[in-house]
Amino acid sequence: GESVGLHLPTLSVQEGDNSIINCAYSNSASDYFIWYKQESGKGPQFIIDIRSNMDKRQGQRVTVLLNKTVKHLSLQIAATQPGDSAVYFCAENLNFNKFYFGSGTKLNVKP
Amino acid sequence: DADVTQTPRNRITKTGKRIMLECSQTKGHDRMYWYRQDPGLGLRLIYYSFDVKDINKGEISDGYSVSRQAQAKFSLSLESAIPNQTALYFCATRQDRDGGELFFGEGSRLTVL
Repeated sequence: GESVGLHLPTLSVQEGDNSIINCAYSNSASDYFIWYKQESGKGPQFIIDIRSNMDKRQGQRVTVLLNKTVKHLSLQIAATQPGDSAVYFCAENLNFNKFYFGSGTKLNVKP
Repeated sequence: DADVTQTPRNRITKTGKRIMLECSQTKGHDRMYWYRQDPGLGLRLIYYSFDVKDINKGEISDGYSVSRQAQAKFSLSLESAIPNQTALYFCATRQDRDGGELFFGEGSRLTVL
């Protein structure tokens, strides 16, 4: 989910479990969405994207689901690993112009 | 070598000083962006440029200026730094209008005392 104030929501999962990170986007006309991973001290890294004419897209160990009816995006990570620990945030894009970013969810993977 | 390089990576300065953050890219992308990241908040767009002759304000451009010196270089300036400009700054590039994702640099952490 999205954060309020200075505190990011945190999702703690056990290594090997599946993780689901959610994002509510703001503009019903947004037509392109991206999930980014940001490790401490690093820049955001692209994970997976999806266009609005799709409702599901799969990558390696990751799946993005798009529900345009409720303006909701989710990222599923299969068999979560310690290296997946990071902040994850979604970005929405309208007409391939500017991106708008969510504040992120911190994923903590417990060994 | 990184595709998007930011310098400096860390800078501490005093109120009123002029600061320049530099970004260079080897991806050959036309579009370049400067974002600001504050704890608990999403990335916010400061300025963006679609080519060398094109500069546009983002949502939080007050107190900042930019220069697109070449296709590969886009610098961000704080003419007179103030403490609430303390943040992590990211440069990003994008291929073109239909070019998919933004590619980010590693960030420049600026502290204004």
